[in-house]
Amino acid sequence: GENVEQHPSTLSVQEGDSAVIKCTYSDSASNYFPWYKQELGKGPQLIIDIRSNVGEKKDQRIAVTLNKTAKHFSLHITETQPEDSAVYFCAASNVQGGSEKLVFGKGTKLTVNP
Amino acid sequence: AAGVIQSPRHLIKEKRETATLKCYPIPRHDTVYWYQQGPGQDPQFLISFYEKMQSDKGSIPDRFSAQQFSDYHSELNMSSLELGDSALYFCASSLDRGANYGYTFGSGTRLTVV
Repeated sequence: GENVEQHPSTLSVQEGDSAVIKCTYSDSASNYFPWYKQELGKGPQLIIDIRSNVGEKKDQRIAVTLNKTAKHFSLHITETQPEDSAVYFCAASNVQGGSEKLVFGKGTKLTVNP
Repeated sequence: AAGVIQSPRHLIKEKRETATLKCYPIPRHDTVYWYQQGPGQDPQFLISFYEKMQSDKGSIPDRFSAQQFSDYHSELNMSSLELGDSALYFCASSLDRGANYGYTFGSGTRLTVV
């Protein structure tokens, strides 16, 4: 089955700096890679996703890159703000492949210091 | 926009009791997923339903069962509760098994077994 590794487990940056979180996956059949932000006691909130036919996607301060050959994908947050502080999860899935469940990484606790 | 609704938000049960968690997907979504998240852990997939049929099964104990009803809402039934069942339980929904629009999570049910 799919296995997703996520690094680092904790990340502390100064406000205005960039943050990068990296994930690797094992199943080459995975074709959908979302990133979720989770605040304490709340459900995961989708912040950006990418499908296997795209190498990069950007939405304002957030970008995701995908390297299918190396089986890794990364989240980039620029101009970080204190409200970006949360736990971020990457995930992988094979949508419409008979096993479309999301497999999550272990999460990264991001702290943005004012 | 309508979101995934879960009820109840909080539930306290004693060991060996039974609990029922409910999930109401986004209107028109035909796929429902259940995840369990322990403290400081990533969400773990339990079970999913597509068009009212079970579509995938993860690490769900035999004491748990679930179904999706004709109106697409889903219920997770948990019997003979154990202390280790204390966790956040999330429901997510998607259209066509996540093929086009990804997955949206509810706010979760916090189950505490005492």
